[in-house]
Amino acid sequence: DAGVIQSPRHEVTEMGQEVTLRCKPISGHNSLFWYRQTMMRGLELLIYFNNNVPIDDSGMPEDRFSAKMPNASFSTLKIQPSEPRDSAVYFCASSRIYRMEAFFGQGTRLTVV
Amino acid sequence: DQQVKQNSPSLSVQEGRISILNCDYTNSMFDYFLWYKKYPAEGPTFLISISSIKDKNEDGRFTVFLNKSAKHLSLHIVPSQPGDSAVYFCAASGPGNQFYFGTGTSLTVIP
Repeated sequence: DAGVIQSPRHEVTEMGQEVTLRCKPISGHNSLFWYRQTMMRGLELLIYFNNNVPIDDSGMPEDRFSAKMPNASFSTLKIQPSEPRDSAVYFCASSRIYRMEAFFGQGTRLTVV
Repeated sequence: DQQVKQNSPSLSVQEGRISILNCDYTNSMFDYFLWYKKYPAEGPTFLISISSIKDKNEDGRFTVFLNKSAKHLSLHIVPSQPGDSAVYFCAASGPGNQFYFGTGTSLTVIP
């Protein structure tokens, strides 16, 4: 049974470029979460979806960040334009709705130079 | 405005002894709490959870304790093993279903 799949695993880009991170949740899971891991804030929730609908995007740091979930098996997190302070590990996670633990992908390490 | 806090960035314990990791939260609406374990270059993996209707949940060597009045939970690992060395994240969830995580505690179990 495949887990949460994220791509790419590593991304190095120049400041000002657009970056797109991808996520395929576990089949049958209704909730999808995007997190960013930093030393200062730990795992920071950026946005989450229930049944493909964005429920809370209050964690998205700026308008440069956007996320979509066009269907139950795919989500993207886009940063445009990227900045060096966006460098972090970005995790996608999925769960069944309500009271079930979330399962994480292996993360995308983003480096903006 | 961190709603879940882990005030100890790191902890070292001798193999065979007890490891105690602590977590505090501020939002009284949280009613479901989880611990995750994370190895380098991997995503966090679920370890154990507890509902607010309980004050203790045990799974093998891992026990989570919840003190609702103090808004505090802890994870006990007994006995600690070198393979337990990892970063441990505390998480909390409320009516909105989103999970809020702490900053993590890096546990090192010394052989």
